[in-house]
Amino acid sequence: DGGITQSPKYLFRKEGQNVTLSCEQNLNHDAMYWYRQDPGQGLRLIYYSQIVNDFQKGDIAEGYSVSREKKESFPLTVTSAQKNPTAFYLCASSIAGGSGNEQFFGPGTRLTVL
Amino acid sequence: DQQVKQNSPSLSVQEGRISILNCDYTNSMFDYFLWYKKYPAEGPTFLISISSIKDKNEDGRFTVFLNKSAKHLSLHIVPSQPGDSAVYFCAGGGTSYGKLTFGQGTILTVHP
Repeated sequence: DGGITQSPKYLFRKEGQNVTLSCEQNLNHDAMYWYRQDPGQGLRLIYYSQIVNDFQKGDIAEGYSVSREKKESFPLTVTSAQKNPTAFYLCASSIAGGSGNEQFFGPGTRLTVL
Repeated sequence: DQQVKQNSPSLSVQEGRISILNCDYTNSMFDYFLWYKKYPAEGPTFLISISSIKDKNEDGRFTVFLNKSAKHLSLHIVPSQPGDSAVYFCAGGGTSYGKLTFGQGTILTVHP
């Protein structure tokens, strides 16, 4: 049963703490992505990776970091430098990063920083 | 610089009627477009896509129209059903980009 898993579904952290969001896919996809959704702002791209051991900044990378050591995993760390970390975070993957490739999304993680 | 815009935050339609969701883009390098549907607290699911070499693509009740000269695309849902009530996102992508750019989304409500 292939798909993308994100854990946990809900996450609470104190201000000033780093937190890592998990994203795993068993679709054998090369490309993976992290988005953030805020009310009225749509999906904004944080980081993306087209291949293992390589990743690029998206539109709002400041305060975030990622790694891509394995094809199936693309964890996102929300650091204390992120000014407004409370949001709904979505991970996605696609066969490759090129034209026409549909992105498949995970169920999301709602992060609340207290 | 918002390259993909969905100017209508919300749309309300009666069951059985047509829903038309609109999307405008500014980046001429986009060569394909996708529509996604999203329920609250869930990830988006893919609906339908269109290549820039086409002006129409149809899949069941869903049809996407692309007007390249106007840099405009629209999603038609006929007939609309209450289960179609969700947020709809359009997205543009290009061969050289390796990523998608999403619009802000439109909340569709279909009343029984």
